[in-house]
Amino acid sequence: QKEVEQNSGPLSVPEGAIASLNCTYSDRGSQSFFWYRQYSGKSPELIMSIYSNGDKEDGRFTAQLNKASQYVSLLIRDSQPSDSATYLCAVMGRTGANNLFFGTGTRLTVIP
Amino acid sequence: DAGVIQSPRHEVTEMGQEVTLRCKPISGHDYLFWYRQTMMRGLELLIYFNNNVPIDDSGMPEDRFSAKMPNASFSTLKIQPSEPRDSAVYFCASVRAGNYGYTFGSGTRLTVV
Repeated sequence: QKEVEQNSGPLSVPEGAIASLNCTYSDRGSQSFFWYRQYSGKSPELIMSIYSNGDKEDGRFTAQLNKASQYVSLLIRDSQPSDSATYLCAVMGRTGANNLFFGTGTRLTVIP
Repeated sequence: DAGVIQSPRHEVTEMGQEVTLRCKPISGHDYLFWYRQTMMRGLELLIYFNNNVPIDDSGMPEDRFSAKMPNASFSTLKIQPSEPRDSAVYFCASVRAGNYGYTFGSGTRLTVV
């Protein structure tokens, strides 16, 4: 079983819609969760982090965490064509480990 | 800050040749990570260092791969001999202890023919 699982997509949404990206993880002891965005041919860049159950909002992005269900999601409101990228979910190991486990990513296309 | 610097950006080599990838982390970052990215397997952690010391190399595929960090500002990942299945994008990332936002380098696209 993979540490972090994501639907590979592709996910297509019209401009202005809400894009919903999902991720599940296997290690119940995981404490820290991240979303990275990767444009084609570029390196991943951190866009959101979340550490406790519930929602965390940053501009058009909202990260949601449910540790009981081992589920993390990212909502992008008012999607723009510039949001078209692959979104990587990353989970940090148990306290004391500083390495991230990444999902394979979900490719998002925002259609103008 | 110039960010994490990797070289070369692209490398094409013949099977059996030695390949060396280089990384300069951000000054002051305690951790350095080497990842490999392919379409099929996504981002895989190969090895990471803390204060120049290798902490976990369980992701290194086999003995053909080796990594060193002789000082806080330089690391290498070496593949000898290289094989076509090693073709991938190799990323280096660094982070300061207590901060979880990795900064990735631009990556090295390796093609082994």
